Amino acid sequence: NAGVTQTPKFQVLKTGQSMTLQCAQDMNHEYMSWYRQDPGMGLRLIHYSVGAGITDQGEVPNGYNVSRSTTEDFPLRLLSAAPSQTSVYFCASSYGDRDYGYTFGSGTRLTVV
Amino acid sequence: TQLLEQSPQFLSIQEGENLTVYCNSSSVFSSLQWYRQEPGEGPVLLVTVVTGGEVKKLKRLTFQFGDARKDSSLHITAAQPGDTGLYLCAGFNSGYSTLTFGKGTMLLVSP
Repeated sequence: NAGVTQTPKFQVLKTGQSMTLQCAQDMNHEYMSWYRQDPGMGLRLIHYSVGAGITDQGEVPNGYNVSRSTTEDFPLRLLSAAPSQTSVYFCASSYGDRDYGYTFGSGTRLTVV
Repeated sequence: TQLLEQSPQFLSIQEGENLTVYCNSSSVFSSLQWYRQEPGEGPVLLVTVVTGGEVKKLKRLTFQFGDARKDSSLHITAAQPGDTGLYLCAGFNSGYSTLTFGKGTMLLVSP
């Protein structure tokens, strides 16, 4: 099925470990974003990309890195995991037009102990 | 920073009742989008409203965009248990094509 695929679905990390959350879309969308969702905080934008080779910071970028080498893939790297990064992470993609919504992946639930 | 405030935060009603969820901002957005999220899944787009004063209907759901494009509402008629979920409004930031989300309204519809 066409859409946004996120892996893994669940992950437990120890403080200080690094990891990459994978995101891939097959809809040829130029625009991709990473959000984190925390209770009482809603969805907050971490990083976004408007096309291959172009990325920028969102509202809460500290502790995360992204790259966009292809249109399809937009991985999110946690450099040195902290308990404050325990959250549910969503990747989303879109054509970037105001009339067109974003398609979200099913999320990665990350726990940092 | 543009903010979106949703109210109420939580709503628990009986099947067959009507309800309205509100989404308000001090800023103008080029469009407002409504999403519904179920446990363990990502948000799914319900509708996008673009023009001030616009009204869109999706079966029992009615979406309205304020004349000044700063607020929106979602009205559900004769709610059903299948309507249970987290309803999120999101403003489209045209400069970056990103979304700013409200904190959501958790709706529970009991049989």
